Amino acid sequence: GAGVSQSPSNKVTEKGKDVELRCDPISGHTALYWYRQSLGQGLEFLIYFQGNSAPDKSGLPSDRFSAERTGGSVSTLTIQRTQQEDSAVYLCASSRISSGGANEQFFGPGTRLTVL
Amino acid sequence: AQKITQTQPGMFVQEKEAVTLDCTYDTSDPSYGLFWYKQPSSGEMIFLIYQGSYDQQNATEGRYSLNFQKARKSANLVISASQLGDSAMYFCAMREGLHTGGFKTIFGAGTRLFVKA
Repeated sequence: GAGVSQSPSNKVTEKGKDVELRCDPISGHTALYWYRQSLGQGLEFLIYFQGNSAPDKSGLPSDRFSAERTGGSVSTLTIQRTQQEDSAVYLCASSRISSGGANEQFFGPGTRLTVL
Repeated sequence: AQKITQTQPGMFVQEKEAVTLDCTYDTSDPSYGLFWYKQPSSGEMIFLIYQGSYDQQNATEGRYSLNFQKARKSANLVISASQLGDSAMYFCAMREGLHTGGFKTIFGAGTRLFVKA
């Protein structure tokens, strides 16, 4: 079956512009996560969605960042008034939810964002 | 405070030898899960192995095993019989609050493994 897909794969934007990053999770996965990975660094948790529950937004670095998940499937991460420090790879992941299981995350290929 | 600590920024291992990648974690939650992921230079994140805090035995998956020492709060990854294709970044991660439906996952800074021929 299809894995997690993300678009665009690369995005170059000018400082101050808004950008939207899209994530299509694996069908049937009810949990969806967004992470940010700066060059050579680990993954920074941003937000996750689980079914119809309120999302955990505790990792969003500022109010310029927001995300939504429509219909329990596709998610969009929006960054308003982009800054150069927003340049990074944005990774999306999805997972099943089952009691007692690992519920490991399956990652997309990422969107490389460059803010000039 | 760091929740996940990986103290080895880089490691070298000879092909066919075993290597241990260190991971320590910090939590007061009795119910948590520990993960290891591999990230090759191509960038994709690949799940390797999982250990639940209540699991009695150390997890194993093929050449990967997790040396889980709960009292020490360590979850080291052991790769046996290293192969050239094992060269990659390796991330340790933790998810707390399993019994309350928590799914937020925190990742360590990673260890870059180089396998020498």
